Amino acid sequence: AQSVAQPEDQVNVAEGNPLTVKCTYSVSGNPYLFWYVQYPNRGLQFLLKYITGDNLVKGSYGFEAEFNKSQTSFHLKKPSALVSDSALYFCAVRDPYSGNTGKLIFGQGTTLQVKP
Amino acid sequence: NAGVTQTPKFQVLKTGQSMTLQCAQDMNHEYMSWYRQDPGMGLRLIHYSVGAGITDQGEVPNGYNVSRSTTEDFPLRLLSAAPSQTSVYFCASSYSGTQVDIQYFGAGTRLSVL
Repeated sequence: AQSVAQPEDQVNVAEGNPLTVKCTYSVSGNPYLFWYVQYPNRGLQFLLKYITGDNLVKGSYGFEAEFNKSQTSFHLKKPSALVSDSALYFCAVRDPYSGNTGKLIFGQGTTLQVKP
Repeated sequence: NAGVTQTPKFQVLKTGQSMTLQCAQDMNHEYMSWYRQDPGMGLRLIHYSVGAGITDQGEVPNGYNVSRSTTEDFPLRLLSAAPSQTSVYFCASSYSGTQVDIQYFGAGTRLSVL
C-alpha cells in the first residue's frame, strides 16, 4: 500500500538554529512528493513539491526539502528557524494510481515548535 | 479573492441528525475535494470531484454524500451523523492537470457529534 510516514510527532528547535522535519514514503514507481504547512486554526498551505530533477527543492518561506531515493525520504529543512515557523507540517505523496485526479496521501503531521 | 470558503466554522450535532457542510471557491478550479483531519491520522480524503457533474469516492466515504452541480460549489452532506464523524473537515481546490497537487484549503469546519 502507498504510504507516508512522519516519525516525529513534535520537533523542538531554538530560534536561529537549523531545523529538519522528517518524512519517509513507500510508493510504487516515481514519487510525487509535497510538503504542506498548517498554522493554528487555518487550512493547509502548499510549501513545496518534488516531481523530478534536482534532489534539493526550494519552496516558500525559506524552506527546502531533500529527496533521497535510496533512503525513500523527503526531509523538510530550513537553515535558520523563526518563531513564526511554529506550525503543523504535513508530508504528502500523490496516489500513483490516481493519474491527475489530485488524490494525495498525507502523513500524520509533525508539530514544529520554535522557541525564542 | 476569497479563495476557498467553508461554512459553518463550528457545528454541534446530535447523533442521527443530518447537515450539509458548504464549500465554495472563486478561483475557477476544476478539482475540489473534502478531507477530514483527526489527531495522529493526518488528512484522509472523503470525496473528490474533477469537474462539475463528476464526483468519486476517496479513502473514507461512508456516511457522506457529495454533489458538484457548479464549478464553484462542492457541498458535503452527512446523512445521519454519528460520533465517529466528530472531526475537522477541510475543503480544498486546485487546477487540473500538472497543477492538481497544489491544493488550496479552506479554514475548516469543526464538527462535534454528541
